[in-house]
Amino acid sequence: NAGVTQTPKFQVLKTGQSMTLQCAQDMNHEYMSWYRQDPGMGLRLIHYSVGAGITDQGEVPNGYNVSRSTTEDFPLRLLSAAPSQTSVYFCASSPGLAGGVTGELFFGEGSRLTVL
Amino acid sequence: AQSVAQPEDQVNVAEGNPLTVKCTYSVSGNPYLFWYVQYPNRGLQFLLKYITGDNLVKGSYGFEAEFNKSQTSFHLKKPSALVSDSALYFCAVRDINAGNMLTFGGGTRLMVKP
Repeated sequence: NAGVTQTPKFQVLKTGQSMTLQCAQDMNHEYMSWYRQDPGMGLRLIHYSVGAGITDQGEVPNGYNVSRSTTEDFPLRLLSAAPSQTSVYFCASSPGLAGGVTGELFFGEGSRLTVL
Repeated sequence: AQSVAQPEDQVNVAEGNPLTVKCTYSVSGNPYLFWYVQYPNRGLQFLLKYITGDNLVKGSYGFEAEFNKSQTSFHLKKPSALVSDSALYFCAVRDINAGNMLTFGGGTRLMVKP
């Protein structure tokens, strides 16, 4: 089983460039989310989605955009990359239940982004 | 705001000794608490969760966690540590202010020495 697949695994950008991190899951999960991981700061929620066509902001949404046109895909767009966006990005999904996540999150392997 | 705190950046323990990784939480209402583990260059993996019921929760790889409402804690424990348990451990809480997604603590690095 593929689970949660993220691409690319590594990316180097120049300041001001834009790019999209792809995330796909094959478990028919309703909940999907993007986190960034920085040393000493744990994981911080960027954006999340509770179903196709529904997205919302997390703790650190500035500079990022998302869409959820299908249940399977949840791409994260960096509009104009900045050095502060250098991080490791994780996509996660969960079946959830009405009212929120009650089970485990399934994580992708991560995408390491460097902005010069 | 809903939050969890992991007061130790790193925990060192000898193989075969018991281990504890600490987590305290701050939530309104009943807490939904989780522990995850991250091995190098990998995504996080679910270990266990507390939703309701027994205060001692058993999870994967021999780990367990004790929910203590009066101390607002959810410490991760294992009776006998293995070198292979060395990893980064995250406590998390379901956050009603974030669409009921999970809010994570800063992480604790566990080092188990032979």
